[in-house]
Amino acid sequence: EAGVTQFPSHSVIEKGQTVTLRCDPISGHDNLYWYRRVMGKEIKFLLHFVKESKQDESGMPNNRFLAERTGGTYSTLKVQPAELEDSGVYFCASSLYRGSTDTQYFGPGTRLTVL
Amino acid sequence: AQSVAQPEDQVNVAEGNPLTVKCTYSVSGNPYLFWYVQYPNRGLQFLLKYITGDNLVKGSYGFEAEFNKSQTSFHLKKPSALVSDSALYFCAVRAAGSTLGRLYFGRGTQLTVWP
Repeated sequence: EAGVTQFPSHSVIEKGQTVTLRCDPISGHDNLYWYRRVMGKEIKFLLHFVKESKQDESGMPNNRFLAERTGGTYSTLKVQPAELEDSGVYFCASSLYRGSTDTQYFGPGTRLTVL
Repeated sequence: AQSVAQPEDQVNVAEGNPLTVKCTYSVSGNPYLFWYVQYPNRGLQFLLKYITGDNLVKGSYGFEAEFNKSQTSFHLKKPSALVSDSALYFCAVRAAGSTLGRLYFGRGTQLTVWP
């Protein structure tokens, strides 16, 4: 069974540019999460999809971030325009059930550097 | 509010010696607790979780963790460390019964096992 995949693995952009990150969850997983880790800090929650619906987007830092999950399969996270403080590693995770005991399985992350 | 503290940024141990990576948490109600590991250039891998029952939880690669409710701790342990255990370890918590799936992570602890 394929795990969670993310693309690209690395992205280097200049301040003011746009970047789109993609996540493909484990097949059949309705729940998809985005998290971010700024260097040396904790991993912070961004948002949670159940199928194509946003269940919880309370962690999104501001309206420069837009997440979509059309069709309830893969998800994209767009940052427009990017700022220096957006640099970090963006992780995607998926889980089968919405229950609080369920395990989330993470992808390898996308390392975003904004210059 | 829910939070996790990993008081040690770095833990160093000799191969063959026991290792402990510390984690304390704060949550409203009962906690569900998780440990993840990140090897270099890899994503987060699930190690183990505590939901209910026996306070000693066994996980992958010979790791185990002990839930201590009175001390609000969930320390990760291994009786005999291997050089290949060197990685970044994250503790995470979620409140039992929460309708939200988000995990709250600590800052991570870098474990180095030297030969």
